[in-house]
Amino acid sequence: EAQVTQNPRYLITVTGKKLTVTCSQNMNHEYMSWYRQDPGLGLRQIYYSMNVEVTDKGDVPEGYKVSRKEKRNFPLILESPSPNQTSLYFCASRPGLSNYGYTFGSGTRLTVV
Amino acid sequence: AQSVTQLDSHVSVSEGTPVLLRCNYSSSYSPSLFWYVQHPNKGLQLLLKYTSAATLVKGINGFEAEFKKSETSFHLTKPSAHMSDAAEYFCVVRPGTGNTGKLIFGQGTTLQVKP
Repeated sequence: EAQVTQNPRYLITVTGKKLTVTCSQNMNHEYMSWYRQDPGLGLRQIYYSMNVEVTDKGDVPEGYKVSRKEKRNFPLILESPSPNQTSLYFCASRPGLSNYGYTFGSGTRLTVV
Repeated sequence: AQSVTQLDSHVSVSEGTPVLLRCNYSSSYSPSLFWYVQHPNKGLQLLLKYTSAATLVKGINGFEAEFKKSETSFHLTKPSAHMSDAAEYFCVVRPGTGNTGKLIFGQGTTLQVKP
């Protein structure tokens, strides 16, 4: 089944403890992206990647890192999480052709205390 | 600057009655437009997309949307609501310039369907 898989689905952590949210897609998509969803703010792009080893900042990149060493994986790294990074995170991917919509993962609900 | 405005944060309809979720966009160039649905505790599912072909776009589950350039609108409709349609709906624009793949989301509209 074609899908985007995020792990974990739920995570509670403490301030300053490094964490990684994994994202993997099995559709051979070139584009991948991370979004965070907050009440009243909708979804905002954190980082995106146009292909392997090509990444760039979205609208809210502060406090996050990403890497794209392989086409299928696009992990989101929080080096020193803070409470304002408590949010619902979505990974998404799409083919390189611009007319396609994204396929989204099921989300990761992160709480930083 | 590109933006998306969903005109209603909450819409309530009775089962079997029509659904209208309104969306206006602002984009300097020919955008691609999408509607996504998010059921509780689920990811986002693509309902339909407009990419400069036919202005009336049909999607899954009986939904459709009409792209009206003169009104900069992309309203989502369904002739008859079903209980399973209760969810949050996002109107999304991908600007026509550049190749960043960035999506700009509206704030979302919560659709309530009453029995």
